[in-house]
Amino acid sequence: ETGVTQTPRHLVMGMTNKKSLKCEQHLGHNAMYWYKQSAKKPLELMFVYNFKEQTENNSVPSRFSPECPNSSHLFLHLHTLQPEDSALYLCASSQDGIAANIQYFGAGTRLSVL
Amino acid sequence: AQSVAQPEDQVNVAEGNPLTVKCTYSVSGNPYLFWYVQYPNRGLQFLLKYITGDNLVKGSYGFEAEFNKSQTSFHLKKPSALVSDSALYFCAVRDIDGYALNFGKGTSLLVTP
Repeated sequence: ETGVTQTPRHLVMGMTNKKSLKCEQHLGHNAMYWYKQSAKKPLELMFVYNFKEQTENNSVPSRFSPECPNSSHLFLHLHTLQPEDSALYLCASSQDGIAANIQYFGAGTRLSVL
Repeated sequence: AQSVAQPEDQVNVAEGNPLTVKCTYSVSGNPYLFWYVQYPNRGLQFLLKYITGDNLVKGSYGFEAEFNKSQTSFHLKKPSALVSDSALYFCAVRDIDGYALNFGKGTSLLVTP
């Protein structure tokens, strides 16, 4: 166990559904991240939260909406997704302020959009 | 922008043989470089990092990486491969503007008995 828990592990949704991905870290970190992992492509950084404030949004479509209510929890709200959004979504956390942070990853949510 | 490249999609090695997974980088300033491993149905796990100091960095599970500034490379190595080392390996560099990491596309390592 890495100390980062993601739920659900698998999700199938239609293009008109609304769903949420959840991430919880038990490491006392203050930075959290969402990544998208698609086959044969580099991991794509989607969002970064530092002390609950969003510090990066890498041109992610508005159908993805992050929420970080506290430094231990991170959500990714999904609505009207497209089939090309099917991927593995990874959450990570790290301790900000350390020069070379090590990111700890959850096991991911495998999302299929029909 | 800080970036890394992994030129090989797949590396095949026989068990007991040495393995190398290649990574080259492109950065402004001094690089902070990382290797992560991903086993099937799992998230990424940290293996090792280079910040400064010795060019040979030792990490988890017997892996090591050699930082070569003149060749802008950070290849991952292990003297004797195990079947259980079969996984997806990612090289990464820390983004200059923050604490996020920029990952390569990954290299699939297959170790055969």
